[in-house]
Amino acid sequence: GESVGLHLPTLSVQEGDNSIINCAYSNSASDYFIWYKQESGKGPQFIIDIRSNMDKRQGQRVTVLLNKTVKHLSLQIAATQPGDSAVYFCAECYDKIIFGKGTRLHILP
Amino acid sequence: DGGITQSPKYLFRKEGQNVTLSCEQNLNHDAMYWYRQDPGQGLRLIYYSQIVNDFQKGDIAEGYSVSREKKESFPLTVTSAQKNPTAFYLCASSITGDNTYEQYFGPGTRLTVT
Repeated sequence: GESVGLHLPTLSVQEGDNSIINCAYSNSASDYFIWYKQESGKGPQFIIDIRSNMDKRQGQRVTVLLNKTVKHLSLQIAATQPGDSAVYFCAECYDKIIFGKGTRLHILP
Repeated sequence: DGGITQSPKYLFRKEGQNVTLSCEQNLNHDAMYWYRQDPGQGLRLIYYSQIVNDFQKGDIAEGYSVSREKKESFPLTVTSAQKNPTAFYLCASSITGDNTYEQYFGPGTRLTVT
């Protein structure tokens, strides 16, 4: 199986609430992590990244948290909007890059 | 506008025919990649190139071929030897090929072989 995965294949969130998407990775040597957003029929779009010397990084409405102790990565989206509907997947990088399968974020009106 | 383009967006071919997917980038990136995306699976690496005139097989290279004659271009040929070619193909580029920078993706080409 893949070393990078997501705990939930589908996440439904009320519009306006915060979303948290999780990712587990297996290689403790991974030193760079990326979150991508992929809308239906389109290519993945870079959201935010984090290097292993950090445990938190914030962007516009998004925050990535890295817990190296348990090899866990999360993406938090604040005030979720309809335009956030997409598949989100993480990637871990060491001498190669491995992509997770993705979590579909569904926004409830 | 800097970016990475793929054409065409949709491609239909008959079984037994080779088909070439185009990928162009004007980001001045050294590295380029081809991935295949199937429903419910993560991206799988087909081929990658870290520099002009050089490329390496990825995890699922069988039935595919590439060339990198120019820095900006990395076309992928899906040959008749590829047993299950119908998929969504994504091209990506990165500043370098050492996995220390994010990959930028193109819009993808959906190939259907019947």
